Amino acid sequence: DGGITQSPKYLFRKEGQNVTLSCEQNLNHDAMYWYRQDPGQGLRLIYYSQIVNDFQKGDIAEGYSVSREKKESFPLTVTSAQKNPTAFYLCASSGRDRIPTNEKLFFGSGTQLSVL
Amino acid sequence: RKEVEQDPGPFNVPEGATVAFNCTYSNSASQSFFWYRQDCRKEPKLLMSVYSSGNEDGRFTAQLNRASQYISLLIRDSKLSDSATYLCVASYNFNKFYFGSGTKLNVKP
Repeated sequence: DGGITQSPKYLFRKEGQNVTLSCEQNLNHDAMYWYRQDPGQGLRLIYYSQIVNDFQKGDIAEGYSVSREKKESFPLTVTSAQKNPTAFYLCASSGRDRIPTNEKLFFGSGTQLSVL
Repeated sequence: RKEVEQDPGPFNVPEGATVAFNCTYSNSASQSFFWYRQDCRKEPKLLMSVYSSGNEDGRFTAQLNRASQYISLLIRDSKLSDSATYLCVASYNFNKFYFGSGTKLNVKP
């Protein structure tokens, strides 16, 4: 089955610790994204990557880092500089359908990060 | 000002009712529009794209008004299973996506 796999489903971070969220896709999509969702709020863009070895900051990149060494993989590291990391993190990729030729976002199942 | 704005609701409707949500977007350069459905603590799932001419998928109808920069979603004959949060999305440059905060729908027996 084609899709996006995020792991782990739940993650706990201790103060001062860096943690890494995994995101893998086998949809052959070029573009990948990380979003953060807080309760009762919409999705906010953390980072995105349009191509391997390239990525751009989104609206709330401070305290986060990413890498894109392979097309299939786009891991997100939540660093100790992120003082309020508790949130639901969603990874997505985008690709075009045959008709119409517009990009659509497809999501992984998310990682709930909490602070101990 | 937010790129995409939605009424958060909740909209509480009985089964069988027709309910409509609107959403406005601020960037006139937006090219593509979508409605996603999100269940509690789950990932958003694409419900439907929104085309300029309007489009229908079963009980769901989406409309786009570029002049007024708003998008609508109409759900007919509501089912209990339609209870969820509906996210409006506008995109431009083919890969910049902006999400509304979502409209919560509760369908009651």
